Amino acid sequence: EDQVTQSPEALRLQEGESSSLNCSYTVSGLRGLFWYRQDPGKGPEFLFTLYSAGEEKEKERLKATLTKKESFLHITAPKPEDSATYLCAVQGLLTSGTYKYIFGTGTRLKVLA
Amino acid sequence: GAGVSQSPRYKVAKRGQDVALRCDPISGHVSLFWYQQALGQGPEFLTYFQNEAQLDKSGLPSDRFFAERPEGSVSTLKIQRTQQEDSAVYLCASSPGDRPNEQFFGPGTRLTVL
Repeated sequence: EDQVTQSPEALRLQEGESSSLNCSYTVSGLRGLFWYRQDPGKGPEFLFTLYSAGEEKEKERLKATLTKKESFLHITAPKPEDSATYLCAVQGLLTSGTYKYIFGTGTRLKVLA
Repeated sequence: GAGVSQSPRYKVAKRGQDVALRCDPISGHVSLFWYQQALGQGPEFLTYFQNEAQLDKSGLPSDRFFAERPEGSVSTLKIQRTQQEDSAVYLCASSPGDRPNEQFFGPGTRLTVL
């Protein structure tokens, strides 16, 4: 069964304390893995797309990596404004030729000043 | 430039009422998605359009849910005879094409069924 599992469910960090969020997945015909940030009361905001194992993407204090079974979102020296829920999603190709997006339940990150 | 917009932002319905939720995608975006997000959960896929064609509606929870995109731009998600379990945030997202790429989400419509 295609699924996405994110860990931990919640994470509290002190400002400047680096850490990593995990997204493990099983999906047939992986076409892409996506990371989004979601603030309370808002829709998810796109961060990164990763297409193949070994790929890495960086943006400011965030770095996403991908293996054949999981992805990590590394947060270096986080600031309070990085507090949000981080969602991972995978896109799989169905035999019908259409795509299926599956989201994880997210990691709620709180960065304390 | 304008992002994805959704209306209304909040909707309160009595059980049994019909509701219609609107999504205005980014102009020119081919693909449009509807998701349902319960509190503390990730978005759950409902349905997907490529232009005006509804290519996948496997996530619609029951035949009370219906979506359309008649001219390949604006989309409406309709829920008939609402039930309490329909209470959730309904998110719309659009993306430029049919290749794997990022989705741009609207702010969502929070539906509360009393």
